[in-house]
Amino acid sequence: GENVEQHPSTLSVQEGDSAVIKCTYSDSASNYFPWYKQELGKRPQLIIDIRSNVGEKKDQRIAVTLNKTAKHFSLHITETQPEDSAVYFCAASTGGGNKLTFGTGTQLKVEL
Amino acid sequence: EAQVTQNPRYLITVTGKKLTVTCSQNMNHEYMSWYRQDPGLGLRQIYYSMNVEVTDKGDVPEGYKVSRKEKRNFPLILESPSPNQTSLYFCASSSRQGSSPLHFGNGTRLTVT
Repeated sequence: GENVEQHPSTLSVQEGDSAVIKCTYSDSASNYFPWYKQELGKRPQLIIDIRSNVGEKKDQRIAVTLNKTAKHFSLHITETQPEDSAVYFCAASTGGGNKLTFGTGTQLKVEL
Repeated sequence: EAQVTQNPRYLITVTGKKLTVTCSQNMNHEYMSWYRQDPGLGLRQIYYSMNVEVTDKGDVPEGYKVSRKEKRNFPLILESPSPNQTSLYFCASSSRQGSSPLHFGNGTRLTVT
């Protein structure tokens, strides 16, 4: 089955800096890659997703890149703000398949 | 308001006492799933359902049961809970399995002593 590895497990940045979280996946058939943000004590919520026919997608300060050949995808957050502090999960799915496999999460802390 | 509702939010029980965590969604989603969240392990899928009366195992199904008798409801059943099932549980739904955003419930924190 699919295996998703996520790095780093913790990330601390200064406010205004950029943050990058990286994930690798094992199943070359995977074609849907969402990212979820989970604030402390709350539910995970989708922040951005990308499909395998696209190499990059951007939404304001958040961008995701996908390298299908290397089987890795990354989340980029620019101009970080304190409210970006949360746990971020990457995930991969074969789309028409039955499962979304999550990475183990990255605790992002944005320091003032 | 579109939402996934889980109950209860917190549950403390003893080993072996059967319990059910309910999950209901009002978005007419076909796909529903249960996850458990443990520190350092992320979100692991327990069971999922692609439609009424269609369920299948996820990555960690041992010790759990589910049913999907109605489209909106997907309860998680622990017939004989054990301490290793102490965890944070999330129910989620989506309009299409695997390729559309998951809508999560608020979570159920279960403690088994």
